[in-house]
Amino acid sequence: GQQVMQIPQYQHVQEGEDFTTYCNSSTTLSNIQWYKQRPGGHPVFLIQLVKSGEVKKQKRLTFQFGEAKKNSSLHITATQTTDVGTYFCAVTDSWGKLQFGAGTQVVVTP
Amino acid sequence: DAGVTQSPTHLIKTRGQHVTLRCSPISGHKSVSWYQQVLGQGPQFIFQYYEKEERGRGNFPDRFSARQFPNYSSELNVNALLLGDSALYLCASSLGGPQVRKQFFGPGTRLTVL
Repeated sequence: GQQVMQIPQYQHVQEGEDFTTYCNSSTTLSNIQWYKQRPGGHPVFLIQLVKSGEVKKQKRLTFQFGEAKKNSSLHITATQTTDVGTYFCAVTDSWGKLQFGAGTQVVVTP
Repeated sequence: DAGVTQSPTHLIKTRGQHVTLRCSPISGHKSVSWYQQVLGQGPQFIFQYYEKEERGRGNFPDRFSARQFPNYSSELNVNALLLGDSALYLCASSLGGPQVRKQFFGPGTRLTVL
């Protein structure tokens, strides 16, 4: 099955700074979804990307799907304490089975 | 509208015991999936059910089984519990069908095996 690698595993960010987390695959991905899991919480859907080169924005979050559909990125600008959590990328099959990356754990320092 | 609900929220069992976890999907959702999340890792797919039929099975031993009921709720059963089964068990629901759809996760059941 399709596997995705996420980097970095851990990101320590000063409040107000920007950061990017990456999701990479050795094979072409049909789609990619991003989820956020707050400490002690459950994954919450953020976005789905399907098209090559697709870019989607949600306020301070920018999601991108690579031209070759082998990688994706999540960029957060002006990080806030509410951005704390673990961000997962995941690939789905046609029936919705999710294969998650290992996640990027984000810690924000005020 | 109510989200995905799971019960119980926490559970403590001993090795060799059996456990049943329950999940109620969002109203109108026909697909339920189960995931195991060990601390510090991403969720791992266990099962998916759509319209009461198994649509996918992850790389888990036969000690793990599941089913979906006519009202689309689901149970996950784990027999002969091992220490390594200690994890957060997540249920996710979606409208389902052969399309890529976003998944809505429940709060999970935290299982501790002693």
